[in-house]
Amino acid sequence: QAQLVQSGAEVREPGASVTISCKASGYTFNSYFMHWVRQAPGQGLEWMGKINPHGGSTRYAQKFQGRINLIRDSSSSTVYMEIRSLRSDDTALYFCARFYNWRGANWLDPWGQGTLVTVSS
Amino acid sequence: DIQMTQSPSSLSASVGDTVSITCRANQGIRNDLGWYHQKPGKAPKRLIYDASSLPSGVPSRFSGSGSGTEFTLTISGLQPEDFATYYCLQYNTYPYTFGQGTRVEIK
Repeated sequence: QAQLVQSGAEVREPGASVTISCKASGYTFNSYFMHWVRQAPGQGLEWMGKINPHGGSTRYAQKFQGRINLIRDSSSSTVYMEIRSLRSDDTALYFCARFYNWRGANWLDPWGQGTLVTVSS
Repeated sequence: DIQMTQSPSSLSASVGDTVSITCRANQGIRNDLGWYHQKPGKAPKRLIYDASSLPSGVPSRFSGSGSGTEFTLTISGLQPEDFATYYCLQYNTYPYTFGQGTRVEIK
């Protein structure tokens, strides 16, 4: 079955960058967009952006435009998200999720297990 | 951006109760809305798509309704495993946007 496995927790200082990976398995990687969602401690879900693995086109939420970059490596079925100029309020649990839209379905599933990024000096 | 206003922010209920959660969009989104639930520290899980459709494997006590700007998730007969936080998500227009969440707690 489809599965997403994310890279492990990261700790960075303010101003640094971090790259999180999301490796897909169990389905045709290029067939479905991959989305990223984050959740700050005790807060709700926030949509960040998406990438089309077939071709690599991206869309980002305005607040992250210019600060995050999504790329994919189809040879390894992996999507990467780079976040630059980290701030303390970027401390959050970051999820990747496939948008499944085949045969009438429209949902984010599966989700990765989440990657905790802590930004602290 | 489309804003999703979810209410209530929290509710207390007992096992067996029927509860409803509402999401309102500040512009029409047809039926491009899904509902998700999440337990602390875990990834969200899909419950409803296209406002009222249930994926296979999701219990029938979950139902969704609405179209355009107002949507409702109803849980008929709460089970212990349903105590969680619920979110709506609109996928009509980028950027996708979530509601603020509704925490369903045990009374």
